[in-house]
Amino acid sequence: AQKITQTQPGMFVQEKEAVTLDCTYDTSDPSYGLFWYKQPSSGEMIFLIYQGSYDQQNATEGRYSLNFQKARKSANLVISASQLGDSAMYFCAMRELNYNTDKLIFGTGTRLQVFP
Amino acid sequence: DTGVSQDPRHKITKRGQNVTFRCDPISEHNRLYWYRQTLGQGPEFLTYFQNEAQLEKSRLLSDRFSAERPKGSFSTLEIQRTEQGDSAMYLCASTGLAGARLDTQYFGPGTRLTVL
Repeated sequence: AQKITQTQPGMFVQEKEAVTLDCTYDTSDPSYGLFWYKQPSSGEMIFLIYQGSYDQQNATEGRYSLNFQKARKSANLVISASQLGDSAMYFCAMRELNYNTDKLIFGTGTRLQVFP
Repeated sequence: DTGVSQDPRHKITKRGQNVTFRCDPISEHNRLYWYRQTLGQGPEFLTYFQNEAQLEKSRLLSDRFSAERPKGSFSTLEIQRTEQGDSAMYLCASTGLAGARLDTQYFGPGTRLTVL
């Protein structure tokens, strides 16, 4: 079964600094997709970035980048130049997709707090 | 292009009452998903539709839960005889390309249910 592990319950970072949120995954499927979502206190899940298992380059979206290490089965999110508005829960997820299922498997999340 | 919308945003009910939530996906998205998120956890998959067909139901979806998507557009999730353990955030998501691994699930703001 597919599994996502986020080992950091909480992280602190100073404004304008970079921060890395860890994510490891487990799957036997050679083709898979990894996602990061941000969840502010309002509750909405906001899509941040996607990495496909066959992508040759690490994904980037503005201040977000994904450090994808396939052999280590890790997909860490890097946020550069942190802003106060980045304070939120961050979830790593993997899409389980085959002939009889289609769902996202989420980790337990990391709460990021950005301080001035 | 409006996002995924959910109604109501908050629902407080007494144990034993029935509740119904509505989700309107992004226009023309043919896959629609329901997830449940309890405090301190990542979202957990409940069920998904492709157009009007319900293709998978999680074991989490007991007999008291029923979901419909009658015309392949909006969806409803009904919980009968609510229990305190049903208190959670119910999230809806949609995607546009059935079976496309790289397709992103976009989430609505969620319905927060409190059962007294």
